[in-house]
Amino acid sequence: EIVMTQSPATLSVPPGERATLSCRASQSVSSKLAWYQQKPGQAPRLLIYGASTRATGIPARFSGSGSGTEFTLTISSLQSEDFAVYYCQQYSNWPPYTFGQGTKLEIK
Amino acid sequence: VQVVESGGGLVQPGGSLRLSCAVSGLTFNSYAMNWVRQAPGKGLEWVSTIGANVVSTHYADSVKGRFTISRDNSKSTLYLQMDSLRAEDTAVYFCAREGEVDYYFDHWGQGTLVTVSS
Repeated sequence: EIVMTQSPATLSVPPGERATLSCRASQSVSSKLAWYQQKPGQAPRLLIYGASTRATGIPARFSGSGSGTEFTLTISSLQSEDFAVYYCQQYSNWPPYTFGQGTKLEIK
Repeated sequence: VQVVESGGGLVQPGGSLRLSCAVSGLTFNSYAMNWVRQAPGKGLEWVSTIGANVVSTHYADSVKGRFTISRDNSKSTLYLQMDSLRAEDTAVYFCAREGEVDYYFDHWGQGTLVTVSS
């Protein structure tokens, strides 16, 4: 099973600033990495797939990078609606699909 | 686009429950479908996947032998039969469709809460 590790667990950033979230895989997942955003009481929303491709309707301030075992989600200028929990997920070697434990992005 | 789960509720340990997920406004029968759960205050855990062809199924070790995934392509509906339920199965259960070009999850329902408690 591929273990996904996200860091940091919590990230405090002021609105308008850049946020950088990290995700590491225990073995290579190539570019088969997705990022999801989840707000309280809501379903996860797909942001990025293929490590760097934005899903339909996702603003350009969200970008993904990386391949192999190291991945980054960057939000270039934080808006109030961006404060949420973010999960990475590998879909290279399944079952099982595996998610990171999440990074909570909070307002500083 | 609507993905709507139903069937959650309170059940005693050892009991059974059947979840449903109705999909509309979205192509259903050409894509694999998935169940993902989230225990209270915890992260996301993949539970089960069924292929578009209905034949191929996969389960997390934590539910293997107790849960059964199925689908009715004529009704664009996904199911999860949950038997021998345990307290640790308490979670919000989401259904999610396979992505357009690969095996990520692109459309999710709002979830249905399953509580296993005496």
